[in-house]
Amino acid sequence: EVQLLESGGGLVQPGGSLRLSCAASGFTFSSYAMSWVRQAPGKGLEWVSAISGSGGTTYYADSLKGRFTISRDNSKNTLYLQMNSLRAEDTAVYYCAKEDSYSGCDDAFDIWGQGTMVTVSS
Amino acid sequence: QPVLTQSSSASASLGSSVKLTCTLNSGHSSYIIAWHQQQPGKAPRYLMKLERSGSYNKGSGVPDRFSGSSSGADRYLTISNLQSEDEADYYCETWDSNTQVFGGGTKLTVL
Repeated sequence: EVQLLESGGGLVQPGGSLRLSCAASGFTFSSYAMSWVRQAPGKGLEWVSAISGSGGTTYYADSLKGRFTISRDNSKNTLYLQMNSLRAEDTAVYYCAKEDSYSGCDDAFDIWGQGTMVTVSS
Repeated sequence: QPVLTQSSSASASLGSSVKLTCTLNSGHSSYIIAWHQQQPGKAPRYLMKLERSGSYNKGSGVPDRFSGSSSGADRYLTISNLQSEDEADYYCETWDSNTQVFGGGTKLTVL
């Protein structure tokens, strides 16, 4: 069964850092680009970042301004999102999603994880 | 950059049909889009990929009641024989060279 399982969410103070993980199973992880997508409470979906199958190419939403870093470890079938200088507006459920392509930002998301909640508050 | 526009809400009666619309902005009318369903309190679920021609490719396990079509810059998701579990938010998605884009979502209420 194809599955994505996020972890690492929680409560963090403004200005703090958090690293999210997404464990993949049921498909050849290194053959597909992966993304992080977030959803603030009561709001719509917002794409955050993508990474190619090899990990050699990364993409970011302009709004992040260099605060987030996406990476992957294909030997562990795991996707990561390092989030620094967190702000209240980063509060959201963070989903990892598998893209139906290798290069990134080149096709639709065809598999979604269940999400992990990040709350930025003092 | 592509922009996707969706109506914020729609409603239809149990057992009827509903057609949701996602509109691509000028200069991007040929783009392929995808439809995703998000039931209350759940993660999104991929429904289908839809081309300008109207050809679509559904995800695994998506019921036959779900279909897609296109006209110009508009991409449609039609749900027939509406069931209570179809009450959800529906998002369209597209992509360009260095970005992924979502529409604002349509909240579907089944009456």
